[in-house]
Amino acid sequence: DIQMTQSPSSLSASVGDRVTITCRASQSISNYLNWYQQKPGKAPKLLIYAASTLQSGVPSRFSGSGSGTDFTLTISSLQPEDFATYYCQQSYSSPLTFGGGTKVEIK
Amino acid sequence: EVQLVESGGGLIQPGGSLRLSCAASGFTVSSNYMNWVRQAPGKGLDWVSLIYSGGSTYYADSVKGRFTISRDNSKNTLYLQMNSLRAEDTAVYYCAAQYRSSMYSLDVWGQGTTVTVSS
Repeated sequence: DIQMTQSPSSLSASVGDRVTITCRASQSISNYLNWYQQKPGKAPKLLIYAASTLQSGVPSRFSGSGSGTDFTLTISSLQPEDFATYYCQQSYSSPLTFGGGTKVEIK
Repeated sequence: EVQLVESGGGLIQPGGSLRLSCAASGFTVSSNYMNWVRQAPGKGLDWVSLIYSGGSTYYADSVKGRFTISRDNSKNTLYLQMNSLRAEDTAVYYCAAQYRSSMYSLDVWGQGTTVTVSS
């Protein structure tokens, strides 16, 4: 099974900060990497798929990069509505696996 | 409007069975890549099962042999039959689909249904 390791597990940041979350796969997954945002009590929301493609309707301050085993989600200027938990997920092979999540909190 | 609505959750004793349903509107379940994903209380996302449009199915090791994913094309509904339930199956269960995105990502999610396994 492919293990997905996210870091950090949590971070504190201020509105306007640039935030970077990393995700590492235990083996190459090409660009089969997706990022989701989840707010408390809500279903996850797809932000980025294929490592760097912005899902329709998602603000351009979100961006993704990487291929192979190392990936990054960047929020260029953190907004109040961005405080949430973020998950990476590999869709390269079954069993599909999620990272452990990164909780972005207000500093 | 594209929508998924889950139902069927509840409180069940260990060893019991439950069938979750996920009714789709605005798109066709049989034509899309459909998944079940769960989230235990206070924990992260945990993939459970998927069914491809062609009918192939896959399961997480933790549920293999106990859970069965299926669909009813006439009802445009996805199902998850859960047998031999354990306390560790307690979670919110989401159905999710790839609709407009690609690379087997999940861009449509239901609101979730809660399963509690307890005596």
